[in-house]
Amino acid sequence: DQQVKQNSPSLSVQEGRISILNCDYTNSMFDYFLWYKKYPAEGPTFLISISSIKDKNEDGRFTVFLNKSAKHLSLHIVPSQPGDSAVYFCAAMEYGNKLVFGAGTILRVKS
Amino acid sequence: NAGVTQTPKFQVLKTGQSMTLQCAQDMNHEYMSWYRQDPGMGLRLIHYSVGAGITDQGEVPNGYNVSRSTTEDFPLRLLSAAPSQTSVYFCASSSNRGQMNTEAFFGQGTRLTVV
Repeated sequence: DQQVKQNSPSLSVQEGRISILNCDYTNSMFDYFLWYKKYPAEGPTFLISISSIKDKNEDGRFTVFLNKSAKHLSLHIVPSQPGDSAVYFCAAMEYGNKLVFGAGTILRVKS
Repeated sequence: NAGVTQTPKFQVLKTGQSMTLQCAQDMNHEYMSWYRQDPGMGLRLIHYSVGAGITDQGEVPNGYNVSRSTTEDFPLRLLSAAPSQTSVYFCASSSNRGQMNTEAFFGQGTRLTVV
């Protein structure tokens, strides 16, 4: 059973608008979450993270929100740029720094 | 600073052959892990290591072996390749979380095809 779920396989957004990518998890023991961005033929690259002691973390155009009671997090990208087009993975980090990934969301930013 | 280096980038194997995927990191990270990525399934953990000499199984370990004799290297061995092992393989390393949050750094991946 998937412990981290990204229910939207793809998202299309106009350049300059907001992109919102969603992620749900089932394991209440998860206390640290990360977002990764992946281009074709490359490894995932770290984007932003959030600890369960926070409900929001910002880094430039990227903000991650965590709702522990709903076991839900979201990544906001404002403003979206064509270079943001990629696959975005949500992940939870467990003991041993093991990552449990969602299936990913393909973001396409149209210019 | 090279980060995490994986070799080879591409490999074609025949069913039953064995091979080793190499992974090396130069960041002195304690934690290393191997993932495979299949279409529509995200990345799944194969094996991981919390330090030299210590390894453990992840979600999909069958058909793979690992060892961690040094901090820098974490090779993944396919014992007898099967078509079901056709995938893209990623190695990752990270530092101890301790009092601060950490991130995992990934290699560029190895695209393996088993025919």
